[in-house]
Amino acid sequence: NAGVTQTPKFQVLKTGQSMTLQCAQDMNHEYMSWYRQDPGMGLRLIHYSVGAGITDQGEVPNGYNVSRSTTEDFPLRLLSAAPSQTSVYFCASRRTGNQPQHFGDGTRLSIL
Amino acid sequence: AQKVTQAQTEISVVEKEDVTLDCVYETRDTTYYLFWYKQPPSGELVFLIRRNSFDEQNEISGRYSWNFQKSTSSFNFTITASQVVDSAVYFCALSEAAQAGTALIFGKGTTLSVSS
Repeated sequence: NAGVTQTPKFQVLKTGQSMTLQCAQDMNHEYMSWYRQDPGMGLRLIHYSVGAGITDQGEVPNGYNVSRSTTEDFPLRLLSAAPSQTSVYFCASRRTGNQPQHFGDGTRLSIL
Repeated sequence: AQKVTQAQTEISVVEKEDVTLDCVYETRDTTYYLFWYKQPPSGELVFLIRRNSFDEQNEISGRYSWNFQKSTSSFNFTITASQVVDSAVYFCALSEAAQAGTALIFGKGTTLSVSS
């Protein structure tokens, strides 16, 4: 049972480049979320999804897009990377709205 | 609006000391859930406990214990006889039942350093 799998683990981008952070879970969880973690800021919610085809914005959605075409996958897209998006990104999933979240191992992203 | 405050940014203790991590939350909902997560230096997030708003019983798990007090909107975490392996960032988080579709809202975390 792999749980929540994030790829890549590390990435360096140049300002203006685009990329997609991948997130997949094999637990058949309906709820999935993306967070970013910055020093002293805790984990801040970027986007979340309550099921395939349904997404919504969290606290810090600007500069990011998401889609949920399947239950398993929830990719996060940076359309035009900016240095302010340098962060560690975590994907999470949970079975129902108030169950504990299972987290991936994170993606460390640097924007130069 | 929901909010989680962890006022202690960093705590340093010596092994075998007891340490309490504070968590204060704000919510308008009468049904909600509180969580604690641990993030060791390796970076992964580890679930420790979930407590719902109707269960004010304190919980003990080995050296860990949690004190939930609705009257003060607090959900504090105590580590007894701390060990070096307890060194980590600890996050408190809140989920409201009325907003069950949203994800958890986290505090900013408390960094615990345990020295030998």
